[in-house]
Amino acid sequence: DGGITQSPKYLFRKEGQNVTLSCEQNLNHDAMYWYRQDPGQGLRLIYYSQIVNDFQKGDIAEGYSVSREKKESFPLTVTSAQKNPTAFYLCASSIVRGDTGELFFGEGSRLTVL
Amino acid sequence: GENVEQHPSTLSVQEGDSAVIKCTYSDSASNYFPWYKQELGKRPQLIIDIRSNVGEKKDQRIAVTLNKTAKHFSLHITETQPEDSAVYFCAASIENFGNEKLTFGTGTRLTIIP
Repeated sequence: DGGITQSPKYLFRKEGQNVTLSCEQNLNHDAMYWYRQDPGQGLRLIYYSQIVNDFQKGDIAEGYSVSREKKESFPLTVTSAQKNPTAFYLCASSIVRGDTGELFFGEGSRLTVL
Repeated sequence: GENVEQHPSTLSVQEGDSAVIKCTYSDSASNYFPWYKQELGKRPQLIIDIRSNVGEKKDQRIAVTLNKTAKHFSLHITETQPEDSAVYFCAASIENFGNEKLTFGTGTRLTIIP
């Protein structure tokens, strides 16, 4: 069954701790994205990657880091420098890079900082 | 940059009635406008999109209209059913500039009352 898998679905973290959210896709898509979703706000882009070993900052990259060592994988690390990390995080991919088209989303990871 | 406003934030309609969600955008260069549906606890999915070379697009009970002069576009759902209950997001972008340039609205929570 093709798609995007995010894990964990729920995660609790203490202040000052880094946490890594996993995103894996078997759609053979070039481009991958991380979005943050907060109540009453639209999806905001954190980081994106159009090709392996390359990634770019989105609109709200501060306090986050990513890697793209494999085409299938695009993990997001929420660092202790992120001031307000409690949020719902969505990973997405698309077929082509550098163009607009359908985004395929994972089911999300809800991070709560205690 | 682009700014997308979406209204209303919540909408309740009787089953069988129509629902309309409206979005405005600020960048006159935007020419690609997708709509995503996110059912409770599920991933967002593309339900329809429109490009600025057309004024209206239909897909069964769903239609989207675009007014380039006024810079607004709307989602119309007719004969609403319980499975239409979800959060709907509009977005705007310039085609060929990449999904990373996609700006989302703040979402509308649609509730269908049986």
